[in-house]
Amino acid sequence: SQQGEEDPQALSIQEGENATMNCSYKTSINNLQWYRQNSGRGLVHLILIRSNEREKHSGRLRVTLDTSKKSSSLLITASRAADTASYFCAPMDTGRRALTFGSGTRLQVQP
Amino acid sequence: EAGVAQSPRYKIIEKRQSVAFWCNPISGHATLYWYQQILGQGPKLLIQFQNNGVVDDSQLPKDRFSAERLKGVDSTLKIQPAKLEDSAVYLCASSSTLILAASTGELFFGEGSRLTVL
Repeated sequence: SQQGEEDPQALSIQEGENATMNCSYKTSINNLQWYRQNSGRGLVHLILIRSNEREKHSGRLRVTLDTSKKSSSLLITASRAADTASYFCAPMDTGRRALTFGSGTRLQVQP
Repeated sequence: EAGVAQSPRYKIIEKRQSVAFWCNPISGHATLYWYQQILGQGPKLLIQFQNNGVVDDSQLPKDRFSAERLKGVDSTLKIQPAKLEDSAVYLCASSSTLILAASTGELFFGEGSRLTVL
């Protein structure tokens, strides 16, 4: 079953900087979702981008999707210490009934 | 709207003992998932229910793990006997749709139950 592979595995930045993390996948998709997981907590849905969309915004989040390269990126602008978390992408192909996850990107935002 | 409820939050047991985790999904959500997340890894799907029927249990170690959702609402995941490698966080999630790719397909996760097997 398809799962995304996030890159980098870990990222450390200063508060106020932008954070970019990438996701690659293997087969055609209907949509792709991003989730955040704070330490010791469950995953929280951040944003969904459909296969016919190239870019989507939600607050300080910007997601892009390049279906020709089978990749997506998540940009967090003006990062805050509270953005410290693991971030997972989940590509959804046709008929998919459950999400599968890679190992995620661990983001550390230094105050 | 109440979120996905899980209990207990933490459990420590000896190997070969048994343990059970409980999950109550968001009201009205027909689809329920159990994931296992080992430290440093992403969540791995164990079993998926649609109402009280099993949709996918292909990655559930059936010699020791069992799960049920008898009335199509809350669910229990049991491990018996536990092994050291079962130490993980067990996450329950729910969604309002079965075919995630055909809709907004968002999953709602509980806070998880952290199991330590000594």
